Amino acid sequence: KAGVTQTPRYLIKTRGQQVTLSCSPISGHRSVSWYQQTPGQGLQFLFEYFSETQRNKGNFPGRFSGRQFSNSRSEMNVSTLELGDSALYLCASSWRTSGAVTDTQYFGPGTRLTVL
Amino acid sequence: DAKTTQPNSMESNEEEPVHLPCNHSTISGTDYIHWYRQLPSQGPEYVIHGLTSNVNNRMASLAIAEDRKSSTLILHRATLRDAAVYYCILRGNSGGSNYKLTFGKGTLLTVNP
Repeated sequence: KAGVTQTPRYLIKTRGQQVTLSCSPISGHRSVSWYQQTPGQGLQFLFEYFSETQRNKGNFPGRFSGRQFSNSRSEMNVSTLELGDSALYLCASSWRTSGAVTDTQYFGPGTRLTVL
Repeated sequence: DAKTTQPNSMESNEEEPVHLPCNHSTISGTDYIHWYRQLPSQGPEYVIHGLTSNVNNRMASLAIAEDRKSSTLILHRATLRDAAVYYCILRGNSGGSNYKLTFGKGTLLTVNP
């Protein structure tokens, strides 16, 4: 079974631009979560989607948004990029929705975003 | 969310056992203890999880203290491929910890050849 895939793997943008990152979950998984990883803050939860609906959201500004399609693929968008948005963006998929505390989350390799 | 405390770093030699500790003194009765690890330049990967009893799988063993205030991840024979940051995470149905993984700083494990 193919793992979680994320595209692109690397991205360079300038301040003020917007960016869209894509995540394809493991086949059959319906939940996709997004995380941001920076050296200073570590791994932080952005949001979770299940059945095309955002179920939970972390403490990030409205510039960060996402969506999920009927095939469970997900995209996240960051508008008006700031230097501090430079990070590794990880998506994780799982079979069940939030609340399944024994469910394993499977992570992709991440998208490395650099904002200049 | 209930907090976990791990040493910043640990070192081991190849083919020796490694015991990675985690303290979680404020754990609630319904919190599961999960371990993930992140190898260099990769996303985190699941290692093991448990509630009360010790657990074993092909990757590792998880020893949980009787009072559940601490746990230990055991790698029986460390290999160079086990060099990673190991995260101990609590997931339960209280405090909003059910729908997300709350990562701390983790323990950086170095494996010497």
